[in-house]
Amino acid sequence: AQTVTQSQPEMSVQEAETVTLSCTYDTSESDYYLFWYKQPPSRQMILVIRQEAYKQQNATENRFSVNFQKAAKSFSLKISDSQLGDAAMYFCAYRSLNTGNQFYFGTGTSLTVIP
Amino acid sequence: DTGVSQDPRHKITKRGQNVTFRCDPISEHNRLYWYRQTLGQGPEFLTYFQNEAQLEKSRLLSNRFSAERPKGSFSTLEIQRTEQGDSAMYLCASSLSGGGWGSGDYGYTFGSGTRLTVV
Repeated sequence: AQTVTQSQPEMSVQEAETVTLSCTYDTSESDYYLFWYKQPPSRQMILVIRQEAYKQQNATENRFSVNFQKAAKSFSLKISDSQLGDAAMYFCAYRSLNTGNQFYFGTGTSLTVIP
Repeated sequence: DTGVSQDPRHKITKRGQNVTFRCDPISEHNRLYWYRQTLGQGPEFLTYFQNEAQLEKSRLLSNRFSAERPKGSFSTLEIQRTEQGDSAMYLCASSLSGGGWGSGDYGYTFGSGTRLTVV
């Protein structure tokens, strides 16, 4: 089974600064999707950004961007100009294109934004 | 459409009792998923439906757990003879199927979850 590892249980960042959350994964497949989800306290999970494995170009969504290194099986999330509303638990997730429909989630990184 | 709805938001039950949770997905979504999230962990897959057919079940889904999606719309997850280890957040998500690149089935829309506490 695929595994997703987030080695940073907690991170903090000053408001307006930049922070990078790390994620590595293990798979033998070549076709898959990677995602970052945000889960604010007591609220539902929201998709932040996604990346198709075949795309070499890193995905970007406004202040959120990823550094996708397929050979290294690394998928980090960079949050620029951090805002108080970015404080949440962030989950990295993997989904195979061809085998099964489930997502494999990491254990999450709790991000604190310091005013 | 207000997204994926789950009911109840919280449930406290005594060990040994049965509980049932409901999920109403986004109306045009044909895929529905159940996940379980324990404290400090990411969500773990339980089962998924395409329309009314239950196509995949995790080994986490013991025989005390049963899920249905009778008309391909809402779904229920029942836990019989609850145990303290069943205490968790139960998340429902839905998506519009596809499969290949560009199919549109990239990510889920999650509900807010049902938090179960077994005492």
